[in-house]
Amino acid sequence: EIVLTQSPGTLSLSPGERATLSCRASQSVSSSYLAWYQQKPGQAPRLLIYGASSRATGIPDRFSGSGSGTDFTLTISRLEPEDFAVYYCQQYGSTQGTFGQGTKVEIK
Amino acid sequence: EVQLVESGGGLVQPGRSLRLSCAASGFTFDDYAMHWVRQAPGKGLEWVSGISWNSGSIGYADSVKGRFTISRDNAKNSLYLQMNSLRAEDTALYYCAKDSYIWGSYWSAFDIWGQGTMVTVSS
Repeated sequence: EIVLTQSPGTLSLSPGERATLSCRASQSVSSSYLAWYQQKPGQAPRLLIYGASSRATGIPDRFSGSGSGTDFTLTISRLEPEDFAVYYCQQYGSTQGTFGQGTKVEIK
Repeated sequence: EVQLVESGGGLVQPGRSLRLSCAASGFTFDDYAMHWVRQAPGKGLEWVSGISWNSGSIGYADSVKGRFTISRDNAKNSLYLQMNSLRAEDTALYYCAKDSYIWGSYWSAFDIWGQGTMVTVSS
């Protein structure tokens, strides 16, 4: 089973700043089958990025994903007030699926 | 409107059973794999189980293998999770989620989520 480790646990930033979130896999994620989700309090998760770098429908271009193999990154170029939330990475591409433990992006 | 609505949660004693349901609408249900994902109070997301569009591929997290059974009824646009031998650590909000890749035998990203149904296991 692939284990995903996200860092940092919490990121304290101000609106307008750049956020860089990391997701590291315990073994190579095949074909970049890596997704990112955003979750706000009391809401279901929302798909942001799939295939490591493709934005889901309706996701603003300030969100971008990169990486391959075992190291992946979600970047929010300029934080908007609505971007403060918890972000999860997920690996897929088999009949198992695992999530990272999450990174909370909070207002500094 | 694409929608997933979970039901069947509640308070149950350890060792007992519960069956969750997820009603899908607004998309061609039998074209997509479906999943259950849970979130314990204040914790992160945990994938629980998935089933392919034709029920040919099924997967479970190690934490529920042998106790939970996923199934679907494409004629009713419904997904189910039969949970047996429930434990306190199964207490969580259970989400139903739609796979994003049509006719896949393996999982892809989850593009639609329900609002969840809460399961509490306690004596």
